[in-house]
Amino acid sequence: NAGVTQTPKFRILKIGQSMTLQCTQDMNHNYMYWYRQDPGMGLKLIYYSVGAGITDKGEVPNGYNVSRSTTEDFPLRLELAAPSQTSVYFCASSSRTGEYQPQHFGDGTRLSIL
Amino acid sequence: KQEVTQIPAALSVPEGENLVLNCSFTDSAIYNLQWFRQDPGKGLTSLLLIQSSQREQTSGRLNASLDKSSGRSTLYIAASQPGDSATYLCAVRGFGNEKLTFGTGTRLTIIP
Repeated sequence: NAGVTQTPKFRILKIGQSMTLQCTQDMNHNYMYWYRQDPGMGLKLIYYSVGAGITDKGEVPNGYNVSRSTTEDFPLRLELAAPSQTSVYFCASSSRTGEYQPQHFGDGTRLSIL
Repeated sequence: KQEVTQIPAALSVPEGENLVLNCSFTDSAIYNLQWFRQDPGKGLTSLLLIQSSQREQTSGRLNASLDKSSGRSTLYIAASQPGDSATYLCAVRGFGNEKLTFGTGTRLTIIP
């Protein structure tokens, strides 16, 4: 059982480049999330999805886009990379059967914008 | 706006000791509170989730308590082991939104 898988693990981008961070989960969870973690700061929610075809903005969505065409996949796209987007990005998933269930996290993508 | 604070930022204790990690939050209207551990270079692993109607949750050597009225939660670790060394984060979920508000964590080192 792989859980939440993120690719790539590391990436260096130049300012203005674009890229897609991949996230897939095999737990049939309906909820999926993207967070960023900056040094000394708590995790911030970028975007989330409550099911295929449904996405919504989190706390820090500017500069990012998402899509959710399947239950399993929730890619995050950076269109014009900026140095402020240097961070560690985590994807998470969870289910909700009445109560919210714990979120399961991937191992992260470490992204540097130079 | 909800704010979550974890003090201290770092803690070192000898192996075998019991210890308590603290988490405080400013808005007591929470849906649930979750404790995570994060190992270096890894994602977060959920340890315990306490619903707002609950006072505590236990899993093995871990016990988490929740006092909404005072805006506090504690994570108690019994008989600490070197493998418990990690950063521990708490996060609260408010009502009507999907956002978890995270603390910045306590980096725990268990000294053999």
